[in-house]
Amino acid sequence: DAKTTQPNSMESNEEEPVHLPCNHSTISGTDYIHWYRQLPSQGPEYVIHGLTSNVNNRMASLAIAEDRKSSTLILHRATLRDAAVYYCILRDGNTDKLIFGTGTRLQVFP
Amino acid sequence: DTGVSQNPRHKITKRGQNVTFRCDPISEHNRLYWYRQTLGQGPEFLTYFQNEAQLEKSRLLSDRFSAERPKGSFSTLEIQRTEQGDSAMYLCASSLLSTGDTEAFFGQGTRLTVV
Repeated sequence: DAKTTQPNSMESNEEEPVHLPCNHSTISGTDYIHWYRQLPSQGPEYVIHGLTSNVNNRMASLAIAEDRKSSTLILHRATLRDAAVYYCILRDGNTDKLIFGTGTRLQVFP
Repeated sequence: DTGVSQNPRHKITKRGQNVTFRCDPISEHNRLYWYRQTLGQGPEFLTYFQNEAQLEKSRLLSDRFSAERPKGSFSTLEIQRTEQGDSAMYLCASSLLSTGDTEAFFGQGTRLTVV
């Protein structure tokens, strides 16, 4: 199973942009890069995913390196509700399994 | 459809007892996944189904664990002869069959405490 590497924790102030990095040097050509987040006592929640091109949705943007060995999740204006553990995951194209790492715990300060 | 539903939300059981959890996925989703999560860790993959067929079981899933998905609808996860090490959050997720290009939807989980 392909693995990802993320910082254990990051901090941000409210209304500032946040860039959450992820390294995935062993990514294969058919793996999609997915990001999920998990608030305390809840199940993971989908944030965004992409294959090669940068992606935007209402929650965030995903910037994917040209060689696909790294990606960055961008929250344009952090809010207190964005405080969560963010997981960067390579979704296996055959099984669709999501293999989670330990994620990045994002703290947002008012 | 209100999303993935898991029952019960909490379960406290004595060591050695059997427990069963239920997951109701989003109705049109062919794939269903079970995960286990302990405090401070990311969810660990346990097993997954495509319709009613169980396609893969993790090495984490000992012989005391069994999962079913009869008729490709809801799924159950049973743990026999529970041990204190089984205490965790058990998460269910579902998604459409794809090549990785779809999102998975997770339930709120069942928190198991073995005393």
